[in-house]
Amino acid sequence: DTEVTQTPKHLVMGMTNKKSLKCEQHMGHRAMYWYKQKAKKPPELMFVYSYEKLSINESVPSRFSPECPNSSLLNLHLHALQPEDSALYLCASSQGRTGVANEKLFFGSGTQLSVL
Amino acid sequence: AQTVTQSQPEMSVQEAETVTLSCTYDTSESDYYLFWYKQPPSRQMILVIRQEAYKQQNATENRFSVNFQKAAKSFSLKISDSQLGDAAMYFCAIEKDGLTFGKGTHLIIQP
Repeated sequence: DTEVTQTPKHLVMGMTNKKSLKCEQHMGHRAMYWYKQKAKKPPELMFVYSYEKLSINESVPSRFSPECPNSSLLNLHLHALQPEDSALYLCASSQGRTGVANEKLFFGSGTQLSVL
Repeated sequence: AQTVTQSQPEMSVQEAETVTLSCTYDTSESDYYLFWYKQPPSRQMILVIRQEAYKQQNATENRFSVNFQKAAKSFSLKISDSQLGDAAMYFCAIEKDGLTFGKGTHLIIQP
């Protein structure tokens, strides 16, 4: 199994809603990532978990709250989002720890989020 | 901090021809890895090729090869025998605690 699975594929939410994005991998990877990608732009790193611990937070607003319950799962909890948060949210995983420069990232197909 | 620059927003090539996508980067690291990722309309990010900076030999993967010039900090991607399925957004990236991407090049394949 070389897949990273993200659910849901599409999500529409209001600014007062609370929702969660989910990401799952069964490749035994110990590093997991959240990226945000606006239309016609490159992905931007949001968070990195290494061995289930948050190792990198790229100054993301607190309305985005990541969670890594175990080595296979990564969640992104959303609360009080703004319309400008509408984007494709990509999850990725890699074999080892962050800081290992040869890491090959495997990406999920993303959740397209629309905030109304 | 790393930076990656892709100066070609869009490229077009005839099917079966060869095309080269440009990428330059900047880093203070002495050892690093460079990547080309492909993002088709499905928006899945797919690894095309990876280059280890300490290796002088250019990486190749079937029809895809790179021209890595470390001193010039240049990392171009050559696609030979272009196919319709190669149409996608191509991102150059450098890896350090997560990937830093360039702005991408939209590759169009003309039948």
